[in-house]
Amino acid sequence: GQQLNQSPQSMFIQEGEDVSMNCTSSSIFNTWLWYKQDPGEGPVLLIALYKAGELTSNGRLTAQFGITRKDSFLNISASIPSDVGIYFCAGLNNAGNMLTFGGGTRLMVKP
Amino acid sequence: GAGVSQTPSNKVTEKGKYVELRCDPISGHTALYWYRQSLGQGPEFLIYFQGTGAADDSGLPNDRFFAVRPEGSVSTLKIQRTERGDSAVYLCASSLTNTREQYFGPGTRLTVT
Repeated sequence: GQQLNQSPQSMFIQEGEDVSMNCTSSSIFNTWLWYKQDPGEGPVLLIALYKAGELTSNGRLTAQFGITRKDSFLNISASIPSDVGIYFCAGLNNAGNMLTFGGGTRLMVKP
Repeated sequence: GAGVSQTPSNKVTEKGKYVELRCDPISGHTALYWYRQSLGQGPEFLIYFQGTGAADDSGLPNDRFFAVRPEGSVSTLKIQRTERGDSAVYLCASSLTNTREQYFGPGTRLTVT
């Protein structure tokens, strides 16, 4: 089946540093979504990407939909302690009926 | 407005018992999805409803799992003869249409002892 490879699996950074994580797929997706999940909570939508090559920002977050439609990256600038959590990429299939998730990137921020 | 809500937040049950998990989607969202998340992994698709009908149930692991959405709003995920391997967080999501972003509820943590 389809798989999304997300890297790195975990990151431990200093507050104020920039962060970059990415996601690659063996299959094409027409929509990419990035979510953040805190312990005991459901995933919270951060950014949605609908067009190949699209670059979208949401505050300190920037995400890009790869031109091949098989990859995406998420950047976080000037990290703060509340950025701690697990970040998931997800691809929406053509029929729009299911998301395929990556394995997540666990971000830890040292004050 | 109100987000997706799920009840109960936690459920502990004995092996072999029957459980029901409830999802209240965002008002007006026609598409509803159930996912299952095991520890340390991303959510995995179970079933998708468009309105009252299950448009895709290809992610249900076996026939012990069943879900309904009789009035096109609230959905119930039903698990018969629970097994320890069913222990996971069950997440519900809804979207305005099936091609738009999905919004998740807080999940129900199911523990089968």
